[in-house]
Amino acid sequence: KAGVTQTPRYLIKTRGQQVTLSCSPISGHRSVSWYQQTPGQGLQFLFEYFSETQRNKGNFPGRFSGRQFSNSRSEMNVSTLELGDSALYLCASTLLGTSGYNEQFFGPGTRLTVL
Amino acid sequence: SQQGEEDPQALSIQEGENATMNCSYKTSINNLQWYRQNSGRGLVHLILIRSNEREKHSGRLRVTLDTSKKSSSLLITASRAADTASYFCATDAKYSGGGADGLTFGKGTHLIIQP
Repeated sequence: KAGVTQTPRYLIKTRGQQVTLSCSPISGHRSVSWYQQTPGQGLQFLFEYFSETQRNKGNFPGRFSGRQFSNSRSEMNVSTLELGDSALYLCASTLLGTSGYNEQFFGPGTRLTVL
Repeated sequence: SQQGEEDPQALSIQEGENATMNCSYKTSINNLQWYRQNSGRGLVHLILIRSNEREKHSGRLRVTLDTSKKSSSLLITASRAADTASYFCATDAKYSGGGADGLTFGKGTHLIIQP
């Protein structure tokens, strides 16, 4: 079974631009979560989508948004990029059960550099 | 804010020795997961331990969980050079109903195995 895939792997943008990152979950997984990793703040939860609906959101400004499609693929968008948005963006997918089992499988990440 | 706090921040040992990393957290959890990350790449899921479990084994990995102390430990036995990586604990807080809440990660332990 293929793992979580993210595209692109590397991206360079300039301040003020916007960017869209893509994530394809493991086949059969319906939940996709996004995380930002920086040296200063570590790994932080951005948001989670399930069945095309955002169910949970971390503490990030409205410039960070996302969506999920009917095939469970997800995109996240960052508008008006700032230097501090430079980070590794990780996507994770989850096969949800009724017992609260919540193992998340991560993709390789997209390295975003804002100049 | 980070819920999990790993200790130590960095650990350097000789190949063949055992490595122990600790993690503390603050709130009640459903489960605790350990992940490995190699040099800014994606996270690799190592093991999940549920809140009603006290110990779990997977190959050379042994994880313990003490919910009364809100702490967990990861033991890697007979370490290899390939174990060099950063190790993170991640918790998901108790929730009602279904859903995948965001994981809360610690800052990680950077493990170096000297050949």
